[in-house]
Amino acid sequence: DAKTTQPTSMDCAEGRAANLPCNHSTISGNEYVYWYRQIHSQGPQYIIHGLKNNETNEMASLIITEDRKSSTLILPHATLRDTAVYYCIVRVAMDSNYQLIWGAGTKLIIKP
Amino acid sequence: DAGITQSPRHKVTETGTPVTLRCHQTENHRYMYWYRQDPGHGLRLIHYSYGVKDTDKGEVSDGYSVSRSKTEDFLLTLESATSSQTSVYFCAIQPTGGAGYGYTFGSGTRLTVV
Repeated sequence: DAKTTQPTSMDCAEGRAANLPCNHSTISGNEYVYWYRQIHSQGPQYIIHGLKNNETNEMASLIITEDRKSSTLILPHATLRDTAVYYCIVRVAMDSNYQLIWGAGTKLIIKP
Repeated sequence: DAGITQSPRHKVTETGTPVTLRCHQTENHRYMYWYRQDPGHGLRLIHYSYGVKDTDKGEVSDGYSVSRSKTEDFLLTLESATSSQTSVYFCAIQPTGGAGYGYTFGSGTRLTVV
């Protein structure tokens, strides 16, 4: 079962910051939050991940609340090429490895 | 993405026939995964491998088997295809299973069982 809930869809104007929320209220203390995106049925693309602290890379920033029950992915200057389905994912431990538990994702549409 | 290829890209097969999908990597990564994606849903893990001949089940493994005889190849077999296995199948690779590493996904195989 998915451990995350996200809005089904969102719009954002080109050039503005896109803020994608995610709720993961049942997350455990050692479970990471990952974000991936999927452009037009291609293979998903890794964006960023975090545990407790806020993270930033060349693609995005990840803001995690202090209680870790929710997070926000920020695309600082959205372009039309950022139109995609964005997945907020919790990584859980299994027998010999870790597993990514995917939700249904948010379809982000960037408008000119 | 460079370094991981899936074949075939599209396949139509009849109910009850066996089907094998191939994932090939050139990155020498230890971990390989098979996922399925159904409309309106995220990915669900079928099987994964953590080394040659080392495999384990994921959350939706019934009706599927896998094999990994070489580091670079991970095969997914539908032993007797059913309509419920119509889906898009993605392979992924990962250098290690530890924290801090993302996954690289292939372009997917669209399988239709009629």
